[in-house]
Amino acid sequence: DADVTQTPRNRITKTGKRIMLECSQTKGHDRMYWYRQDPGLGLRLIYYSFDVKDINKGEISDGYSVSRQAQAKFSLSLESAIPNQTALYFCATSDLDSNRGELFFGEGSRLTVL
Amino acid sequence: EDQVTQSPEALRLQEGESSSLNCSYTVSGLRGLFWYRQDPGKGPEFLFTLYSAGEEKEKERLKATLTKKESFLHITAPKPEDSATYLCAVQEDSGNTPLVFGKGTRLSVIA
Repeated sequence: DADVTQTPRNRITKTGKRIMLECSQTKGHDRMYWYRQDPGLGLRLIYYSFDVKDINKGEISDGYSVSRQAQAKFSLSLESAIPNQTALYFCATSDLDSNRGELFFGEGSRLTVL
Repeated sequence: EDQVTQSPEALRLQEGESSSLNCSYTVSGLRGLFWYRQDPGKGPEFLFTLYSAGEEKEKERLKATLTKKESFLHITAPKPEDSATYLCAVQEDSGNTPLVFGKGTRLSVIA
């Protein structure tokens, strides 16, 4: 089983619908992140959390919200999806104590908003 | 202005043709510079961390180097399986700031 699991892997939805992308990890890491990847724009940070009580906005948080339900779970919500939120979404984790700053990524969730 | 700029955007090499990818950065204080590899439809995978100018790291056909303004990922005698997008990211020296990624270089190695 993957250390960082994202569900769903693929989702097609309509404009205005509420969507939740879920991420769970078995690495025991404190820090979790949601990134969005678009062709030509690279990886951009949406939200991040350094522990269960900590939530921080990233570069492109407008239109998104998150919930850190437990150390191992971090969900991303689109309250009212719009077509320009069509993208590949990645969850990642890192270890607070790691000097390497290495991120461990999930396999991605491809979202299409029609 | 982008903090991390990668060039070229895409690179096509013949098998065995060595080359370098560039990552320039403009953060005021660098805690670490990171290289990742991403295969199509997959999440990025960590390759290297570099912390200070002059540092080098190697893994198989890849060698990463760091100066005060840029990093290079040298690919020696590449093989088709080295085809991927290579991402560079930086972390500022506060240590609690998330990584900022460049847009990546898409490498194709042709047999």
